[in-house]
Amino acid sequence: DAGVIQSPRHEVTEMGQEVTLRCKPISGHNSLFWYRQTMMRGLELLIYFNNNVPIDDSGMPEDRFSAKMPNASFSTLKIQPSEPRDSAVYFCASSLSPGGGAVNTQYFGPGTRLTVL
Amino acid sequence: GESVGLHLPTLSVQEGDNSIINCAYSNSASDYFIWYKQESGKGPQFIIDIRSNMDKRQGQRVTVLLNKTVKHLSLQIAATQPGDSAVYFCAELGGSYIPTFGRGTSLIVHP
Repeated sequence: DAGVIQSPRHEVTEMGQEVTLRCKPISGHNSLFWYRQTMMRGLELLIYFNNNVPIDDSGMPEDRFSAKMPNASFSTLKIQPSEPRDSAVYFCASSLSPGGGAVNTQYFGPGTRLTVL
Repeated sequence: GESVGLHLPTLSVQEGDNSIINCAYSNSASDYFIWYKQESGKGPQFIIDIRSNMDKRQGQRVTVLLNKTVKHLSLQIAATQPGDSAVYFCAELGGSYIPTFGRGTSLIVHP
């Protein structure tokens, strides 16, 4: 299995531009998570989906952020308009279910490093 | 242990030594704990987990200890190798089964 796939790996954009990050979860996993990582705040959960349905988006910082999961093998995180404070590494992770137990371990993608100038 | 602010706590060890990384968790209702390893430029990678009904669990070269009385978790790495250099995160899970991650500890292994 290729693991969780994220694209692009690096994104540099200017303030005000729209940014779209993409994620392909591990085949067969039914939960998908978007995280943001910064030195200041560590690893923050933004939103998670179970069976393609958004379950908890309380971590989404503001309305400029939106996430979709149109099918079991694809999700996007969009920032519009982007701001310099959005600069961070964004991770996507997937798991078999949101419950506890070894089978629910989250597997992380390599991340997208976003820089907003 | 965990940190507040910009700088991660750092543990420096010599190759071959044993390493102990500590984590204080906050929620006494948490019943599942995971250690992750994050190498530079990569996403966190699962190392080992432990349920709250256990106080010790061993893997290959790693041992996790759980002390629920003081809400403390530790990761012991035996015979530390340069490839173990990374940032290590503990995560706690409770009823929501959504992990809460600690800030991480940077492990530096000197050859």
